[in-house]
Amino acid sequence: DVKVTQSSRYLVKRTGEKVFLECVQDMDHENMFWYRQDPGLGLRLIYFSYDVKMKEKGDIPEGYSVSREKKERFSLILESASTNQTSMYLCASSFSDRGHSSEQFFGPGTRLTVL
Amino acid sequence: SQQGEEDPQALSIQEGENATMNCSYKTSINNLQWYRQNSGRGLVHLILIRSNEREKHSGRLRVTLDTSKKSSSLLITASRAADTASYFCATDPRYYKLTFGKGTLLTVNP
Repeated sequence: DVKVTQSSRYLVKRTGEKVFLECVQDMDHENMFWYRQDPGLGLRLIYFSYDVKMKEKGDIPEGYSVSREKKERFSLILESASTNQTSMYLCASSFSDRGHSSEQFFGPGTRLTVL
Repeated sequence: SQQGEEDPQALSIQEGENATMNCSYKTSINNLQWYRQNSGRGLVHLILIRSNEREKHSGRLRVTLDTSKKSSSLLITASRAADTASYFCATDPRYYKLTFGKGTLLTVNP
């Protein structure tokens, strides 16, 4: 059974804290993604990675960074958490299909609250 | 920026009825995908249709794609209460990156 796991389902942090969200996939996928989901705004891509140590900005990268040191793990980092980063964070992975998009497998999500 | 936009935003039907959701997009695509999200959970892939395909079936799901109108529809036949979820279309304006719409919230009443 294919699986994408995220380190926490719920997380509460204080303004200014450094926050790490971890995502692990066991499908040997090349591509990994971080989205945030907010009511009325849908899913928005923060960052994605198409290979180890490779990353590319998505639509809303400001205030975030990422790390991909191993193929199976993709971390999202909030350098200094702010209240407007309170959101549901979703990780996903997919294989490379000759440069085309393919099915993405999602983790269960992390609901982050920044106080 | 949103590429796909679903319509309607919300849909409420009775069990056994069919549900149709539409998606419109703006730029050319390689493929279009539909996903389902149950309340507060991650998304689950339903079906992928390539730009050279017009229709695709998977169980009770039927997806159509009209590239000339830049639109797609998802039909769920004989709906069940368990189909209650949000449904998203996703397009790939740029290689493996997907852009999701805001979703249609489907409620199936028993």
